[in-house]
Amino acid sequence: DTAVSQTPKYLVTQMGNDKSIKCEQNLGHDTMYWYKQDSKKFLKIMFSYNNKELIINETVPNRFSPKSPDKAHLNLHINSLELGDSAVYFCASSQRRNGYTFGSGTRLTVV
Amino acid sequence: AQRVTQPEKLLSVFKGAPVELKCNYSYSGSPELFWYVQYSRQRLQLLLRHISRESIKGFTADLNKGETSFHLKKPFAQEEDSAMYYCALNYGGATNKLIFGTGTLLAVQP
Repeated sequence: DTAVSQTPKYLVTQMGNDKSIKCEQNLGHDTMYWYKQDSKKFLKIMFSYNNKELIINETVPNRFSPKSPDKAHLNLHINSLELGDSAVYFCASSQRRNGYTFGSGTRLTVV
Repeated sequence: AQRVTQPEKLLSVFKGAPVELKCNYSYSGSPELFWYVQYSRQRLQLLLRHISRESIKGFTADLNKGETSFHLKKPFAQEEDSAMYYCALNYGGATNKLIFGTGTLLAVQP
């Protein structure tokens, strides 16, 4: 009964491939996010959806495309993967102005 | 522009010593600040937020608007406190958009 769950936990893939990361939350939160944590542990917001509507789209290459089929799911699709995409990707959700609940992260390694 | 600064990358203390993790922010609006903790290879967890004025696991943080600071403190460190600590600022208002500091790794030595 994990609150925010991401799959897969680990993803190793070759340059040029296309991959997806899935996120689901069972908290009934209206807002979901994708954050990227780089090798220096720096966290940066990528996208945010509120009730399936995109509300934050930071400066991210358009190879990254989020999709929210319903307010409990926010998936991240990445086309033409590059070495620099290697990072840990965290999904999170929140309700109104409360703090975030994070998923356990997906460690993406592009080789 | 909004910014969160955590000046220390690493803070090493002995068990039982006091801990203060520094956080300064820059924001023109009314700040909403949070501390998150990430234990080794685990998810980030909300530790506390300034509006709650709560104490979690013995940690407290007071918002000082004059000094634009939100330092995290604990009087007696425990080994299990060893983790990465992130200070975060909600600068999106209703959109609840958080900007995180670069994090401070707290290492509590036995």
